[in-house]
Amino acid sequence: NAGVTQTPKFQVLKTGQSMTLQCAQDMNHEYMSWYRQDPGMGLRLIHYSVGAGITDQGEVPNGYNVSRSTTEDFPLRLLSAAPSQTSVYFCASIIPGTDTQYFGPGTRLTVL
Amino acid sequence: GQQVMQIPQYQHVQEGEDFTTYCNSSTTLSNIQWYKQRPGGHPVFLIQLVKSGEVKKQKRLTFQFGEAKKNSSLHITATQTTDVGTYFCAGPPTSGTYKYIFGTGTRLKVLA
Repeated sequence: NAGVTQTPKFQVLKTGQSMTLQCAQDMNHEYMSWYRQDPGMGLRLIHYSVGAGITDQGEVPNGYNVSRSTTEDFPLRLLSAAPSQTSVYFCASIIPGTDTQYFGPGTRLTVL
Repeated sequence: GQQVMQIPQYQHVQEGEDFTTYCNSSTTLSNIQWYKQRPGGHPVFLIQLVKSGEVKKQKRLTFQFGEAKKNSSLHITATQTTDVGTYFCAGPPTSGTYKYIFGTGTRLKVLA
């Protein structure tokens, strides 16, 4: 098992550009989520999904879109990047029956 | 909205000293989880507490969930350099949901 994988590891965007952060897991977990972590702060939930075709908003959803067409993949889309979206983004999935969140290695995004 | 605060924000200790971080939520949590994040790394699940007043131990780490389920603590006995990192608490306000709210974190440095 590769666990939770995220690509790319690093990304630099210009204001207004769009991009998709990829997240995949090979553990057949139904629940997946996206968080952002700003310097010196905790993680804030952006969007989450409890299964294919089902997504919902977290604490800070504005500026981000998600979809969940398969159990394995949960991409996060930035339609028009803004400097305020400079952050480290973590994807996580939950081990069924335990509530344990298993995090990916993160994507460090800089928006100029 | 719900807030989860942790104190202290930073703690420097000499190796061998004890360390405690406190987690306080503005609302009742259905359960509390603790995570450790090494510098440059991703959060790693440590433990989950579910019952009011619950105490769990993992080697030198002792975790406690308050009677009112609004606060929690993590105590490390005789710190080691491997304990360096940021410790986060997290919990969902409503049972059965996965809308986790993370605490602000406590960054621990251990001086050899």
